[in-house]
Amino acid sequence: DAKTTQPPSMDCAEGRAANLPCNHSTISGNEYVYWYRQIHSQGPQYIIHGLKNNETNEMASLIITEDRKSSTLILPHATLRDTAVYYCIVSYSNSGYALNFGKGTSLLVTP
Amino acid sequence: DGGITQSPKYLFRKEGQNVTLSCEQNLNHDAMYWYRQDPGQGLRLIYYSQIVNDFQKGDIAEGYSVSREKKESFPLTVTSAQKNPTAFYLCASSIDPTGYGYTFGSGTRLTVV
Repeated sequence: DAKTTQPPSMDCAEGRAANLPCNHSTISGNEYVYWYRQIHSQGPQYIIHGLKNNETNEMASLIITEDRKSSTLILPHATLRDTAVYYCIVSYSNSGYALNFGKGTSLLVTP
Repeated sequence: DGGITQSPKYLFRKEGQNVTLSCEQNLNHDAMYWYRQDPGQGLRLIYYSQIVNDFQKGDIAEGYSVSREKKESFPLTVTSAQKNPTAFYLCASSIDPTGYGYTFGSGTRLTVV
C-alpha cells in the first residue's frame, strides 16, 4: 500500500472549515483513499473514502487532486466534538490485507 | 444494536502471566482485526482474520496469539513472550477486508505490573 504523509497537528476555530491535507504521491491506480478519526481513548470511526472523484457525506467532504497524489478532508463547520486524530489511509480495494493507520493529524478545534 | 464488544475495558496483570482479551461482534462481518496503540502513536496491526479458522500475522505479531473458531469471536492472547505488553488494544471488524467501513470496539487498556 502507498504511504501517506500528514501534518502532525492542526488548529481550527469552532464554526470554521477544517481542511486536513494528506500527501500520497506513490498512490497507484486502484488504491482508495480512506479517512478515519479517533476521539481520545475510543476506537477510530470511519468518515469517508474515495478513488478519483470528490466525495461528500453527512460528516465531511473529500477532495482528491486530479493526479491523485494528494487529498484534503474538509469538515465544513467544525465543532468542539470534532477534536480528534484524523487518519488518512491508502489501500487497495481488494488487498486482502488490513488498513495501515499511521500517526494521523491531531486536530484541535478551539472555541 | 449491532456492534463490537471488547472486554474488559481495563485489565491489570502481573508480569509473566498470559492474558486473553475478548472481542465479540454481532455485525455478521467476515473480517476481524487486532491493533495495538501506544501513547501518542498510531495503530499497529497485530493479527487479522478474513474468515473463520484462518488468520494472518500483522506487523507486530510476536508475543501474541489469536484464534477464530467462530465468526463472532476473535480473542487475543498476550503471552509472557511479549516484551512490552502495556498498551491500548483495539479490535475491529469489517464486512470484507477492503478497508471500507471498519467498526471498532471501545478498546481494552492493559497494564502489566
